[in-house]
Amino acid sequence: QITLKESGPTLVKPTQTLTLTCTFSGFSLSTSGVGVGWIRQPPGKALEWLALIYWTDDKRYSPSLKNRLTITKDTSKNQVVLTMTNIDPVDTATYYCAHKGSSWSNWFDPWGQGTLVTVSS
Amino acid sequence: QSVLTQPPSVSGAPGQRVTISCTGSSSHIGAGYDVHWYQQLPGTAPRLLIFGNSNRPSGVPDRFSGSKSGTSASLAITGLQAEDEADYYCQSYDSSLSGWVFGGGTKLTVL
Repeated sequence: QITLKESGPTLVKPTQTLTLTCTFSGFSLSTSGVGVGWIRQPPGKALEWLALIYWTDDKRYSPSLKNRLTITKDTSKNQVVLTMTNIDPVDTATYYCAHKGSSWSNWFDPWGQGTLVTVSS
Repeated sequence: QSVLTQPPSVSGAPGQRVTISCTGSSSHIGAGYDVHWYQQLPGTAPRLLIFGNSNRPSGVPDRFSGSKSGTSASLAITGLQAEDEADYYCQSYDSSLSGWVFGGGTKLTVL
């Protein structure tokens, strides 16, 4: 059974750097084709894909946020970390990490429960 | 503004059939990339409902079905039940963005 869980601060001040950790089980990020992605959802709004990292350490970023995002993995700890710099109140959202099962499958399943991050001074 | 276009809301009475559309362009749906659907119940994380345009993961009732044609896709729900009241999102891959894109979401209300 694959599970993922996000962790990180619930409140961040504007201009700070946000660091979120996705801890997963039931799969390995050293397995061919596997990836872990981050998706966020502002309150009452739609889902937005942010970043994804593959088993090869290949990284993909949303073009609109590319300059502010960094995604890394620690295969031995079964963790993926997302950092977002220069945080702004518009970045207030629930942040989800999700499993992507293979290179050819472009869907996310399953998702973590999400973590709500509020940006406020 | 989301890359894929969905109606903000749809509604139907119990037992009825509803459809939710997802409209894209030649850089994603029209380029041949599959469409996937997620169900998000209130206060919960999205759950994969349909993958690869029309495939249901195990555990998803056959009341849910998906289809794709050209630059659009649709999710159909038959025999509506109160428990189907949720937000539904379509998702695909965008070759021009080299990334994954979502629709704006559709809120289904069961009357």
